[in-house]
Amino acid sequence: DAGVTQSPTHLIKTRGQQVTLRCSPKSGHDTVSWYQQALGQGPQFIFQYYEEEERQRGNFPDRFSGHQFPNYSSELNVNALLLGDSALYLCASSFGTGQFRNYGYTFGSGTRLTVV
Amino acid sequence: DAKTTQPNSMESNEEEPVHLPCNHSTISGTDYIHWYRQLPSQGPEYVIHGLTSNVNNRMASLAIAEDRKSSTLILHRATLRDAAVYYCILSPLPSGSRLTFGEGTQLTVNP
Repeated sequence: DAGVTQSPTHLIKTRGQQVTLRCSPKSGHDTVSWYQQALGQGPQFIFQYYEEEERQRGNFPDRFSGHQFPNYSSELNVNALLLGDSALYLCASSFGTGQFRNYGYTFGSGTRLTVV
Repeated sequence: DAKTTQPNSMESNEEEPVHLPCNHSTISGTDYIHWYRQLPSQGPEYVIHGLTSNVNNRMASLAIAEDRKSSTLILHRATLRDAAVYYCILSPLPSGSRLTFGEGTQLTVNP
């Protein structure tokens, strides 16, 4: 059973460009969350998608946007890249949102984004 | 979100038990205690969670203080593969809510 799949694994972009990262959730999961992890720090929550809608959002600017498709896969888009956007971007999936659902998130191995 | 406090680093020897502490003095009555770990070059991995009672699973045990202001993750026999950053996280639901990660505890396991 495949876990969470993220692509690409590594990416180098130039300041000011736009980037799209992709995530396929674990089989049976319908909720996708995105996290940003700077070097040496814990992951920071960006947003969560469920039923193709953004359900929760962390403290990130509007340059960060996302989408969830009918097959539950998701994309993270970042516009007008800054040097500070260099980080590991993690996708996490789970079953449903709310207290009556399965426990625990399954994380992917992430996409390492470098902005130069 | 309620805050958790963990030691920055801990060391253990292979095949010995490891007790990783977490303080959460401002925990609310509906906050669950979650533990995740992150091995090098990987995303975080769910370890265990609990609300009030101690919990056991195949990976670890979670001991929760009676007043719930602290908890301890117990690895019964550390292996080299257990070397990772361990995060203690509070969340108001079993799942579905955002996870607020701190800096965690870097566990080193010596052979």
